[in-house]
Amino acid sequence: KNEVEQSPQNLTAQEGEFITINCSYSVGISALHWLQQHPGGGIVSLFMLSSGKKKHGRLIATINIQEKHSSLHITASHPRDSAVYICAVYDNYGQNFVFGPGTRLSVLP
Amino acid sequence: DTGVSQNPRHKITKRGQNVTFRCDPISEHNRLYWYRQTLGQGPEFLTYFQNEAQLEKSRLLSDRFSAERPKGSFSTLEIQRTEQGDSAMYLCASSLVVREETQYFGPGTRLLVL
Repeated sequence: KNEVEQSPQNLTAQEGEFITINCSYSVGISALHWLQQHPGGGIVSLFMLSSGKKKHGRLIATINIQEKHSSLHITASHPRDSAVYICAVYDNYGQNFVFGPGTRLSVLP
Repeated sequence: DTGVSQNPRHKITKRGQNVTFRCDPISEHNRLYWYRQTLGQGPEFLTYFQNEAQLEKSRLLSDRFSAERPKGSFSTLEIQRTEQGDSAMYLCASSLVVREETQYFGPGTRLLVL
């Protein structure tokens, strides 16, 4: 079993739809990142959170430490949101960074 | 551009050859990470430095791999006697030493071993 899992693996949505990507992890963590990777490989950090909820524009990230689960929501999705979204966790020592397999999102116009 | 840079962006080599990649982190960042990503997979941690000290190495990092950060600034990742299985995107990221600080990723070096 992988330490970090994501669902769904692939997601296709119509422009304007509300999107949810889920991440679950099995290790004790100190923080969780949501990353966005566009075709060509560039990775951008979207959120880092260790509790509660964060919002940035149309993106919302939540985490439930007890349930070892986090969600990334995209409201009013747009084709430019098409990318791979990766969940990554810092272990309890804050040193080792473990990545999930990613969720490939395609938003159609 | 003050982001993380990596060179070269692409490298094609024959099996058995040695290759070296370079990463220049954001200047005030003292942590530097190397990751490997194969097609369709999330990145895998390889190693990281705090200043010039290499603090952790993944078991994925075989004896053919070596990384250095001699002056605590740029870093190099060398792969000796490359194998076809080494073909991947090699990503570098940097951050401040503050625990769990956001990492900033470079564009990656795509390696193809023929």
